[in-house]
Formats: sequence, structure tokens, C-alpha cells
Amino acid sequence: GAVVSQHPSRVICKSGTSVKIECRSLDFQATTMFWYRQFPKQSLMLMATSNEGSKATYEQGVEKDKFLINHASLTLSTLTVTSAHPEDSSFYICSAREAPGGYSPLHFGNGTRLTVT
Amino acid sequence: KQEVTQIPAALSVPEGENLVLNCSFTDSAIYNLQWFRQDPGKGLTSLLLIQSSQREQTSGRLNASLDKSSGRSTLYIAASQPGDSATYLCAVGGNNDMRFGAGTRLTVKP
Repeated sequence: GAVVSQHPSRVICKSGTSVKIECRSLDFQATTMFWYRQFPKQSLMLMATSNEGSKATYEQGVEKDKFLINHASLTLSTLTVTSAHPEDSSFYICSAREAPGGYSPLHFGNGTRLTVT
Repeated sequence: KQEVTQIPAALSVPEGENLVLNCSFTDSAIYNLQWFRQDPGKGLTSLLLIQSSQREQTSGRLNASLDKSSGRSTLYIAASQPGDSATYLCAVGGNNDMRFGAGTRLTVKP
């Protein structure tokens, strides 16, 4: 089946530094990838939709200058949390569609636990 | 914007019981609906995917139904086991996004 690999699984960084999270589709090409954030005991909130070769579409309330998304190839999207602060500590999960269009299921990475100290 | 609601927020049952988790959504123009399981501190495990043209899907002890016109889906778990304890998330797929409910935290007591 389709596999999405997310790296790193855990990262601890100091306040003010930047952190990059990678999301790769291992055995399929993903024209669209999605980034979610999950706070403790809460559900997944969609942050942005990333289309290969174009700018990401951010959800309302998500700062695009703080959460930089790059989808430079059909198998790789990256999320960079810039100038991280403790309130950015969260669980970040990416997902990718096997094929274009809404009927194709999403496949999820295993998530990245970010802790900002 | 699609809103997804899951009821109940938490559920505790004795082992062996059959149970139903509920999911409702506000916009019936969906492409699919997916149920996931999430263990504490872990990622998502896909359980069942129902396309908008389908009414139900089954996998082992799990059965998910979809009534698109009324904006509802249910996840039925038969003969629950302690290993079923987890948070169950319902997600509704649009053409270019997928929106999640807040989840139902299930505890199955031995």
C-alpha cells in the first residue's frame, strides 16, 4: 500500500530557532499534500494544502511566514517552523493523496512531535 | 467550511459489548469519509474508507455506514476488546481537503 514517511519523528529545539519537517511519499507521486497540527487531547487541524510546484494554501489563522511550506517535487513536501516558540509545541502530521481528486484516500505520515523549550 | 462533530467525546464500556460511534458533518457534498484510530502519542491508522457513492464498509469487527444526505456516519464495533481502546477520528474528504472531528476516546475495560 501507499506509504508516507515523515521525518523526524521527534524534535526538541530552543526558542527562536527554526525546524524543518519532511514528508515523503515513498511509492507514489503526490500532487497534493496536507499539513495538520494536533494539540494535546484535541483533533487534527488542517494548516495548509500544498500543491507541487505552486504556493501552499493556508487555512485561516495560520501564519504563512511562520510555517513555510515547500512542495518542490512530487514526492517531497517540507514544513519549516521559523523562529519557533513554546506555543508552537505540537504534533505535526502530513498526508498525501495517491491520485488527484477527492475520491483518492489520504495516507498519513506517523507525525512529528515538536517540543520548543 | 465543513464542520465535523463526533459524539460521544468519550465512552467507557466493558469488554464484549457492541458499541456505536457517531459522526456528523454539515456539508453533504463530500467525496468520501474515513475512520481512523489514534493511540496516545501516535499517528493515525486508517480503519475504513467509504466513498460518497457507498453506504457502508466492513472490516472484521468494524462496520461503518454513511448517510450522505443526512450528514451522518456511524462506526460500529462488535464484541469490543481492551485492545480497541484508543481515540477514533472521523474525517470527511472534500475535493481538496479532509476535515477531522474531535474524536471519541474509547476505553474498553477487561
